[in-house]
Amino acid sequence: QQQVKQSPQSLIVQKGGIPIINCAYENTAFDYFPWYQQFPGKGPALLIAIRPDVSEKKEGRFTISFNKSAKQFSLHIMDSQPGDSATYFCAAGTSNAGGTSYGKLTFGQGTILTVHP
Amino acid sequence: DAGITQSPRHKVTETGTPVTLRCHQTENHRYMYWYRQDPGHGLRLIHYSYGVKDTDKGEVSDGYSVSRSKTEDFLLTLESATSSQTSVYFCAISESPVSPGTQYFGPGTRLLVL
Repeated sequence: QQQVKQSPQSLIVQKGGIPIINCAYENTAFDYFPWYQQFPGKGPALLIAIRPDVSEKKEGRFTISFNKSAKQFSLHIMDSQPGDSATYFCAAGTSNAGGTSYGKLTFGQGTILTVHP
Repeated sequence: DAGITQSPRHKVTETGTPVTLRCHQTENHRYMYWYRQDPGHGLRLIHYSYGVKDTDKGEVSDGYSVSRSKTEDFLLTLESATSSQTSVYFCAISESPVSPGTQYFGPGTRLLVL
């Protein structure tokens, strides 16, 4: 029930394309859904995050779409660039202030994105 | 970048030897986490800390122990390293688990157990 399933494992697009990465979760207690971007040899870095009270969030060329009823969320990268080539992780967590979540996140398996020039 | 350092950055060790990895932060964040990253598994939580001397197990804690005697340092120990513990280990910190719930990651330690 704690799993977050991410697909595809790898994705290749041409410059300007719109790669889409999908994630699904089971635990309905999750209420925080961040996406992390990781370049080779570096630690993951927060890219964008969404809470279930909205269905979409945009930050620059990155958009998260959220479907609460289906328990799915996805990342879209508009006008993708070679510099977007990286590994992307979705994650889910529970932000209960008085509880015992302690900010723990459950991560998806990761998607290796390659954007060709 | 958040002030997180990990040491060593690379280590090669032999099966059966103890190994300690260090995570040091300069942000004074309360929450700290240790993850391992393996192909096809993403990032998996090993142990986490919610304060000095307050730690708990994550989903893959077998064979690992942790200690946190100061806010800034979180140590991960492999009591007797095995080849299955060959991985890249990341430390992360968080100021608040509530909002925005952001975790900042260190640069990682690449561990090879022969």
